[in-house]
Amino acid sequence: GQQLNQSPQSMFIQEGEDVSMNCTSSSIFNTWLWYKQDPGEGPVLLIALYKAGELTSNGRLTAQFGITRKDSFLNISASIPSDVGIYFCAGQGHYGGATNKLIFGTGTLLAVQP
Amino acid sequence: KAGVTQTPRYLIKTRGQQVTLSCSPISGHRSVSWYQQTPGQGLQFLFEYFSETQRNKGNFPGRFSGRQFSNSRSEMNVSTLELGDSALYLCASSLDRNLGSPLHFGNGTRLTVT
Repeated sequence: GQQLNQSPQSMFIQEGEDVSMNCTSSSIFNTWLWYKQDPGEGPVLLIALYKAGELTSNGRLTAQFGITRKDSFLNISASIPSDVGIYFCAGQGHYGGATNKLIFGTGTLLAVQP
Repeated sequence: KAGVTQTPRYLIKTRGQQVTLSCSPISGHRSVSWYQQTPGQGLQFLFEYFSETQRNKGNFPGRFSGRQFSNSRSEMNVSTLELGDSALYLCASSLDRNLGSPLHFGNGTRLTVT
């Protein structure tokens, strides 16, 4: 199946550190989304980006929609233990027009040591 | 506002059987999409429904089918189950099919095929 390249695959950090992860695609998207998934639960939407170059924040999280529309990154500042989980990027609107088909990244596992 | 509700949460079936999974979207949301999540393939798009019509379909065999009812609730069916169908099946809803309507996921149904 189709998946976007997401890196790093995993990160093990100390509480208080900043985190950065990114997602790249060979195709352009009209929307980039970032989700977090905890064990046994579904993905929870963190940030949605709709315009190339857009920089959006949600608390300690900041995400950007790449200028080329082929990439996006997510930053988490001052990490805390509850940031632990798997983070997924997702591209939407690959074929243009209205669609709710998301292409997901391979995921980044984040572990935070208190 | 209640989130996306999926039932059942867990299901164990035998090869060759069929299964029906249910999804109730967020109140007011008219679009429902289904995704399969496995360790090997990650999150893969199954299909998307809007106004009781399938709008988009992923690359899955015909054993996977779905439908949407007039109240926007959706069901997906898998016939002649195979071991490889073991996965977390996630339902997501959005207000409509426009790109400004991000998807919100339920907690999924964990299907185990023995």
